[in-house]
Amino acid sequence: DTEVTQTPKHLVMGMTNKKSLKCEQHMGHRAMYWYKQKAKKPPELMFVYSYEKLSINESVPSRFSPECPNSSLLNLHLHALQPEDSALYLCASSQDGPSTDTQYFGPGTRLTVL
Amino acid sequence: SQKIEQNSEALNIQEGKTATLTCNYTNYSPAYLQWYRQDPGRGPVFLLLIRENEKEKRKERLKVTFDTTLKQSLFHITASQPADSATYLCALVLYNQGGKLIFGQGTELSVKP
Repeated sequence: DTEVTQTPKHLVMGMTNKKSLKCEQHMGHRAMYWYKQKAKKPPELMFVYSYEKLSINESVPSRFSPECPNSSLLNLHLHALQPEDSALYLCASSQDGPSTDTQYFGPGTRLTVL
Repeated sequence: SQKIEQNSEALNIQEGKTATLTCNYTNYSPAYLQWYRQDPGRGPVFLLLIRENEKEKRKERLKVTFDTTLKQSLFHITASQPADSATYLCALVLYNQGGKLIFGQGTELSVKP
């Protein structure tokens, strides 16, 4: 299984809502990543987990809260988001990390904040 | 300042021709450079990785070169097909920043039949 899955595919939320994005991989990878991608722009790294510990936080606002419950799962908890946070949120994983390995990306969650 | 630039936002070519995409960078010292393909609404898919001590890498119809003196990578697709139409992203792997991946803005390739 060389797949990274993400749920939900689409999410619409208000600025006062709390929601979570989920990511799962069963490749035995020990590094997992969250990226944010706006339209016509490249993915931008948000967080890196290595062996279930947060190793990189790219100065992301605290309204985004990552969590890695185990080596296969990665969550991104969302609270009090702004309309400018609307984007495609991509999860990725790699064999080891922080990584010089190939990163396998999920299909993303399209988030709209109203 | 640090920059990664891909030569153009869009590239249109005829089926069967060779597509050449350029990635230039300044003020980075990458250990590796990767190329990804991204289709609309999908996550990037890894294509090729080239290390700083490698000049060229090939995989089927794909070829990547890496010139650390010029700070440039070229990505070639030979005998291009309409199915190759997608956005292609170069990405630098910064070993001295924990393996962080920095993407260029991408080149949208369109191969016409």
